[in-house]
Amino acid sequence: RKEVEQDPGPFNVPEGATVAFNCTYSNSASQSFFWYRQDCRKEPKLLMSVYSSGNEDGRFTAQLNRASQYISLLIRDSKLSDSATYLCVGYGGSQGNLIFGKGTKLSVKP
Amino acid sequence: EPEVTQTPSHQVTQMGQEVILRCVPISNHLYFYWYRQILGQKVEFLVSFYNNEISEKSEIFDDQFSVERPDGSNFTLKIRSTKLEDSAMYFCASSEGTVTNEKLFFGSGTQLSVL
Repeated sequence: RKEVEQDPGPFNVPEGATVAFNCTYSNSASQSFFWYRQDCRKEPKLLMSVYSSGNEDGRFTAQLNRASQYISLLIRDSKLSDSATYLCVGYGGSQGNLIFGKGTKLSVKP
Repeated sequence: EPEVTQTPSHQVTQMGQEVILRCVPISNHLYFYWYRQILGQKVEFLVSFYNNEISEKSEIFDDQFSVERPDGSNFTLKIRSTKLEDSAMYFCASSEGTVTNEKLFFGSGTQLSVL
């Protein structure tokens, strides 16, 4: 069974802080990983894809460690607008079968 | 940015009734999906649809569920006889290509409440 597990949080951080989220997955056959962002009672929105080589998009850095079956997301210089739930998502190997973690809630305070 | 449109935004129904949730995917997209999220739970895959047929479905997607693309623009999810546990937010999504290569766009969801 393919699962994605995350610390639910909440992570309460001040503006400007650096925060890191981790995620583990249980099936090493999972091909691709993503971080999605979900605001309260809204649809998930793709934040970034995750590659083994690591990738960066502005203040966001994602990393995949296949040996440890571990995915991370680092947010630097947190903004109030970063407050949301961050979903770690794996691709189950079938068309459309994204496997979502339960999400980590981030709250950035002034 | 183009959008996936879902209607209605809220649907209240009695247990045992049929409901149809409607979605208009992005016009040049070829792959369509339904996901659901029970309050406080994970987003869960239900079904994917390509070339006018189901390409993948989860164990949640039992005989009570069906999908249809009745015309060139709409994509619907039907629940034949709703149960209390069907209460959830239902998200439609579409993508231009396969999900590993192309971004998945989600609609804003239909909140289904079964009483």
